[in-house]
Amino acid sequence: DTGVSQDPRHKITKRGQNVTFRCDPISEHNRLYWYRQTLGQGPEFLTYFQNEAQLEKSRLLSDRFSAERPKGSFSTLEIQRTEQGDSAMYLCASSLVGLQGTRGDTQYFGPGTRLTVL
Amino acid sequence: AQSVTQLDSHVSVSEGTPVLLRCNYSSSYSPSLFWYVQHPNKGLQLLLKYTSAATLVKGINGFEAEFKKSETSFHLTKPSAHMSDAAEYFCVVVSGYSTLTFGKGTMLLVSP
Repeated sequence: DTGVSQDPRHKITKRGQNVTFRCDPISEHNRLYWYRQTLGQGPEFLTYFQNEAQLEKSRLLSDRFSAERPKGSFSTLEIQRTEQGDSAMYLCASSLVGLQGTRGDTQYFGPGTRLTVL
Repeated sequence: AQSVTQLDSHVSVSEGTPVLLRCNYSSSYSPSLFWYVQHPNKGLQLLLKYTSAATLVKGINGFEAEFKKSETSFHLTKPSAHMSDAAEYFCVVVSGYSTLTFGKGTMLLVSP
């Protein structure tokens, strides 16, 4: 299977701990997105990369959150000093856009990482 | 700002009957709209996509959606429900250049 993969699938942590999630996009996809989904809600955009450049960040992405995509392939999302309100499903998606870009590129989603903060 | 409103949080149908999942959008320009489906413990899957071409869009698994500018709607339909269609469905609008804004979702329940 060559879809988007995320690791771990589940993470339980105590409040105040740091956690890091990894996303491996579809090979050769140049865009990578992070979303957060809480219970009973649709996913909410957090940030996205084109290659290694972080092009947009949501206001939802507080100072405790940081994302990287150092070589333009996999990405990591780190949450420092976790809070109970961070409990959610963290989704990663990837897409391929040309040089001119495409408005409304098709994003392919991974299975998500479910974070529980105790 | 772009947004979508899914008018029903839950829809229940019997197997073999038509499915209608309603979505209204708000956009300051011609929108790009999607429907995604999320099965339990599985990733979001794209059903279909509208990007200002034909107003009737056909997707996978027999689903289709019609873009109606006058009604600002993008309802999802299927002529005959199957048990495997039971899942949560999200109407999505593109915000800005590329980010997706999701509705709150509609849970489709299919009874035998």
